[in-house]
Amino acid sequence: DQQVKQNSPSLSVQEGRISILNCDYTNSMFDYFLWYKKYPAEGPTFLISISSIKDKNEDGRFTVFLNKSAKHLSLHIVPSQPGDSAVYFCAALKRGDRDDKIIFGKGTRLHILP
Amino acid sequence: DTEVTQTPKHLVMGMTNKKSLKCEQHMGHRAMYWYKQKAKKPPELMFVYSYEKLSINESVPSRFSPECPNSSLLNLHLHALQPEDSALYLCASSQLGLAGISYEQYFGPGTRLTVT
Repeated sequence: DQQVKQNSPSLSVQEGRISILNCDYTNSMFDYFLWYKKYPAEGPTFLISISSIKDKNEDGRFTVFLNKSAKHLSLHIVPSQPGDSAVYFCAALKRGDRDDKIIFGKGTRLHILP
Repeated sequence: DTEVTQTPKHLVMGMTNKKSLKCEQHMGHRAMYWYKQKAKKPPELMFVYSYEKLSINESVPSRFSPECPNSSLLNLHLHALQPEDSALYLCASSQLGLAGISYEQYFGPGTRLTVT
């Protein structure tokens, strides 16, 4: 049972345009969401997070939007740059849960085209 | 210092070998994690240590044995592995709040393990 879903395995975006990566979740108990970026042969790098009490969090070129009623979040990258080409993992957790574990989606590979 | 280091970067071992993977962080994080990642898959949690005590074992086979000697170090001892255990092994660390809340996890670069 996949609790965090990234339905697009890959996405291609022109350099300078907006990249939008989507993520859906099924567990309404999740209250904290994160995005990680991963280059080949490296560990995931934390990008940005959002608490369930917010609907938007912005950090430079990265903005995460949360729609709790739809159990959907998205990561916007504006403007997209060549170095943004990587795999992006959406992740979720329920803070205070004894398990303290992050549930990852399967990832979306983003290609930034010149 | 926001770095999690892992050694070795690459490891090739036979099915009868004993080896260890090492992870180190100096961010004062009191939670440390081992993940396994196969190609084109998300990281899968294996173990969690909270305050140097094993708090989660995700039904990992006993041929993987974690150890947390102190708050900065995390080891993964490997013995009698199978070829299907070949994967990228990632270490991560995070803060722990009073209620056991895990904040963002910081990952190391991983050890690429090949079992022959």
